[in-house]
Amino acid sequence: GAVVSQHPSRVICKSGTSVKIECRSLDFQATTMFWYRQFPKQSLMLMATSNEGSKATYEQGVEKDKFLINHASLTLSTLTVTSAHPEDSSFYICSAVRGATDTQYFGPGTRLTVL
Amino acid sequence: AQSVTQLGSHVSVSEGALVLLRCNYSSSVPPYLFWYVQYPNQGLQLLLKYTTGATLVKGINGFEAEFKKSETSFHLTKPSAHMSDAAEYFCAVSEARNTGKLIFGQGTTLQVKP
Repeated sequence: GAVVSQHPSRVICKSGTSVKIECRSLDFQATTMFWYRQFPKQSLMLMATSNEGSKATYEQGVEKDKFLINHASLTLSTLTVTSAHPEDSSFYICSAVRGATDTQYFGPGTRLTVL
Repeated sequence: AQSVTQLGSHVSVSEGALVLLRCNYSSSVPPYLFWYVQYPNQGLQLLLKYTTGATLVKGINGFEAEFKKSETSFHLTKPSAHMSDAAEYFCAVSEARNTGKLIFGQGTTLQVKP
């Protein structure tokens, strides 16, 4: 149990376009989902915390207008990178928890390349 | 504030040798501690976690870790390395018990030589 999926796994887009990444908890209801960004050979950087039915909480330094997060249901959260630029190229990973004290279960990640 | 330090960004062992990956943490509250493994271009997989109770925690793939409060450590070990253990390993501490947020260490790359 506790499977989290992400779609797409890989996306290449032109500079200035927007890209949506989906994160789904397949076999459980996630009260909270987290979005991370990971640069090559580096650790995970938490971008935002997403709670179903409420606005996401962004970490300091993360532009909320650029990285739009929607948590429409207990099994789906989306991250939209708006007006993407090459510096937004990265590996984006989501995770989900069933409750605040539960283990985080991670998705397989999405590789975004902006040309 | 919570923080995690992983000593050694790169560890190399021979197949069959002991694996020891070091993790020290700083926490203002009794911590929840985690070890995750990441294979190339994949998400993170939970190896093991400590919340309360027994300080020696056994995880998947033969890994275990011991919570030592006096040393603020949570080192990961495996008696005998396998080639398939080559990956990136992350230690993490919960930011607070009611948020679910994790603070990750910098990661340690484990190389296993034949």
